[in-house]
Amino acid sequence: RKEVEQDPGPFNVPEGATVAFNCTYSNSASQSFFWYRQDCRKEPKLLMSVYSSGNEDGRFTAQLNRASQYISLLIRDSKLSDSATYLCVVSMDSSYKLIFGSGTRLLVRP
Amino acid sequence: GAGVSQTPSNKVTEKGKYVELRCDPISGHTALYWYRQSLGQGPEFLIYFQGTGAADDSGLPNDRFFAVRPEGSVSTLKIQRTERGDSAVYLCASSEDSTYNSPLHFGNGTRLTVT
Repeated sequence: RKEVEQDPGPFNVPEGATVAFNCTYSNSASQSFFWYRQDCRKEPKLLMSVYSSGNEDGRFTAQLNRASQYISLLIRDSKLSDSATYLCVVSMDSSYKLIFGSGTRLLVRP
Repeated sequence: GAGVSQTPSNKVTEKGKYVELRCDPISGHTALYWYRQSLGQGPEFLIYFQGTGAADDSGLPNDRFFAVRPEGSVSTLKIQRTERGDSAVYLCASSEDSTYNSPLHFGNGTRLTVT
């Protein structure tokens, strides 16, 4: 079983739609959680950290459920520029060693 | 300012050859990481440097892989006797330090193809 699992998609949605991705992780000792965004043939970039209380950054909302060991990302009012692969990332402690999921691909169409 | 720079951007080599991949981190960043990303997968941790020393090399797949960071800045990932399975994008990242509050900044990667 992979340490971090994501639905690979693709999720194909119209502009303006709301879309949600989930991710599950296997190690209950995981302490830090993130969503990264990766455009085609580009490097991953940090989208947002995920906090236990949930957090929001503009159109993006991240939630963490420690009991069920899953993380979610909600994107409201999708833009064409949101088309990318979204990587769910966990860390076993507060530092460096990030464990990436395989990513969920989002396509936003006009 | 300048981001993480990786060279070459693309490298094609024959099976059995030796390759070196270079990473120039953001100036002042003490932590440096190498990850490897295969097609359709997320990045996979290889090695982490804090300063000049390899603090964790547990992700290196075997002893054909080695990395150095002699002056605490530029790092080189070295792969001996390359195999076709080594083909991937090798990503370097740096951060101010290795704590949670210090996000990783990735370079654009070196795409290695072993023929």
